[in-house]
Amino acid sequence: KQEVTQIPAALSVPEGENLVLNCSFTDSAIYNLQWFRQDPGKGLTSLLLIQSSQREQTSGRLNASLDKSSGRSTLYIAASQPGDSATYLCAVRLSYNTDKLIFGTGTRLQVFP
Amino acid sequence: NAGVTQTPKFQVLKTGQSMTLQCAQDMNHNSMYWYRQDPGMGLRLIYYSASEGTTDKGEVPNGYNVSRLNKREFSLRLESAAPSQTSVYFCASAQNTYTDTQYFGPGTRLTVL
Repeated sequence: KQEVTQIPAALSVPEGENLVLNCSFTDSAIYNLQWFRQDPGKGLTSLLLIQSSQREQTSGRLNASLDKSSGRSTLYIAASQPGDSATYLCAVRLSYNTDKLIFGTGTRLQVFP
Repeated sequence: NAGVTQTPKFQVLKTGQSMTLQCAQDMNHNSMYWYRQDPGMGLRLIYYSASEGTTDKGEVPNGYNVSRLNKREFSLRLESAAPSQTSVYFCASAQNTYTDTQYFGPGTRLTVL
């Protein structure tokens, strides 16, 4: 059974720091992996989607990498800002013909001025 | 575009009561989903609809029913609410199943006493 883990559960950093969020999955046979952002009391917003054939995706200050063989993905946030404060979730899709996303429990990030 | 909208935002029910959570999207998406989010457990798929007129069970369908009323609307019904159904419920939509990013609504916070 695929399990997705995100460690740490919470992280607090000063503004301007570069940081890495981690996502681990137990079964390397995934179709793709997504990173989402969730603000308090709101829904999820998709940040980056990495297909299983890709190694990384970039969007602005965000860079997500994928290492299927080791069951790991990282989300790198450069020059963090207070507006980056949110919960970040990763989710894996197991195969091309399934609608099911397996979500991690998230990392709550706080960036303080 | 409003994106994905959900009503109500908050609801308190007594055990045994019934209610319907409403979801609508204005992005002309084919696929729609219902998730629940519980502390420490991540998001779990309840039901999904790959296209108008079709619905399928997800990971945790027991105690719920759904209706894909038309392409825009996908409702979730609790026939006899139980305290275990206390959760935050998210609706999402995607252009198509399997490959596309899902867009999430703001959620409904449900408490069953």
